[in-house]
Amino acid sequence: EIVLTQSPGTLSLSPGERATLSCRASQSVSRSFLAWYQQKPGQAPRLLIYGASSRATGIPDRFSGSESGTDFTLTISRLEPEDFAVYYCQQYSSSPTTFGQGTKVEIK
Amino acid sequence: QLQLQESGPGLVKPSETLSLTCTVSGGSIRSTSYYWGWIRQPPGKGLEWIGSIYYSGSTFYNPSLKSRLTISVDTSKNQFSLMLSSVTAADTAVYYCARLMYGPNEIDYWGQGTLVTVSS
Repeated sequence: EIVLTQSPGTLSLSPGERATLSCRASQSVSRSFLAWYQQKPGQAPRLLIYGASSRATGIPDRFSGSESGTDFTLTISRLEPEDFAVYYCQQYSSSPTTFGQGTKVEIK
Repeated sequence: QLQLQESGPGLVKPSETLSLTCTVSGGSIRSTSYYWGWIRQPPGKGLEWIGSIYYSGSTFYNPSLKSRLTISVDTSKNQFSLMLSSVTAADTAVYYCARLMYGPNEIDYWGQGTLVTVSS
């Protein structure tokens, strides 16, 4: 199975700053089948990005995704107070679909 | 607006079978565009895909759970269900039901999740 490694484990930033989250796959993720989710405490995850770079419905354009080989990046251009949460990447290019271990974005 | 709601016991004894049902409202489980699935999250940990089902009954299971797992669908009730046998404390988690896209399997709708604790 494809193992996804997210870094850093925790990102401490202030509102208004730029957040860059990384997700590295252990092997090729074909057809850019990678998604990003946001999860707040006590809530279900929410789809942010699919196909590595397409924003889901209703997601603000401060969220963007990119890929370079087996490296995927979620960028939040300017952090809003509601963006402090845990973020997970998911690959669905091969079965079983797998998730990264998460990156927590916390207020500095 | 699509909604998914998990239901089932919050406490299961070790070695017994965990059973959960997901009721879908605001949309048909018969849609050809989606799978329906289960994902779990142990307390304080990450996400694990359990398995998925198509409205026709075709199933896809995580190999790590396959020997203990049954997922079924009841299109007449717009529901799908999970049964996980021989549970241990390691199966304690929040269980989410979800809708997955057919083809690319991103998960666009999630239930609120239900905590299932395995304990005697």
